[in-house]
Amino acid sequence: DMKVTQMPRYLIKRMGENVLLECGQDMSHETMYWYRQDPGLGLQLIYISYDVDSNSEGDIPKGYRVSRKKREHFSLILDSAKTNQTSVYFCASSLWAAQAPLFGEGTRLSVL
Amino acid sequence: AQSVTQPDARVTVSEGASLQLRCKYSYSGTPYLFWYVQYPRQGLQLLLKYYSGDPVVQGVNGFEAEFIKSNSSFHLRKASVHWSDSAVYFCAVSDNNAGAKLTFGGGTRLTVRP
Repeated sequence: DMKVTQMPRYLIKRMGENVLLECGQDMSHETMYWYRQDPGLGLQLIYISYDVDSNSEGDIPKGYRVSRKKREHFSLILDSAKTNQTSVYFCASSLWAAQAPLFGEGTRLSVL
Repeated sequence: AQSVTQPDARVTVSEGASLQLRCKYSYSGTPYLFWYVQYPRQGLQLLLKYYSGDPVVQGVNGFEAEFIKSNSSFHLRKASVHWSDSAVYFCAVSDNNAGAKLTFGGGTRLTVRP
């Protein structure tokens, strides 16, 4: 079954703590994405990864970094989380860039 | 830079009525275009996509969309909606090169009255 898996699904952190969001896919997709979704703003691209160690900033990369050491795994890291990073984060993957990506179920992050 | 506008934040229709959700994009070349649907507390699911060829594309559950280049539009249509179509719908655009990034509109929340 083609699936993008995100862990955890729900997370509560305090301001200043580090946050690790993880995403996996078993389809050998080259391209993976991290988006955040806020009410009324649609989805905003944080980072895109074209393959292992080949990452590119999206539209809102500030305050985030990513890691992709294996093709099937893409992590989003928030160093010293801020309250304005409270959001729903979606990971997605596609066979190659420009193809319609498959989305995960999302991680709902609250930073208090 | 590419962009997508969905001018209607909320749309309400009666069950059985026809539907059109509007999408306008900004892109200098020939784009790749997508419609996604999001049900509550879920991720986005692909409804349909346009890469090239016939400008009218068919999707899942009776949805279709038409690419009109002269109008920079990719409106989503359905002949007869069902209450289960209530969801948020997103239009997205991508450029067609190796470094493509997918850009989403703000979404349209569809409510279908029984």
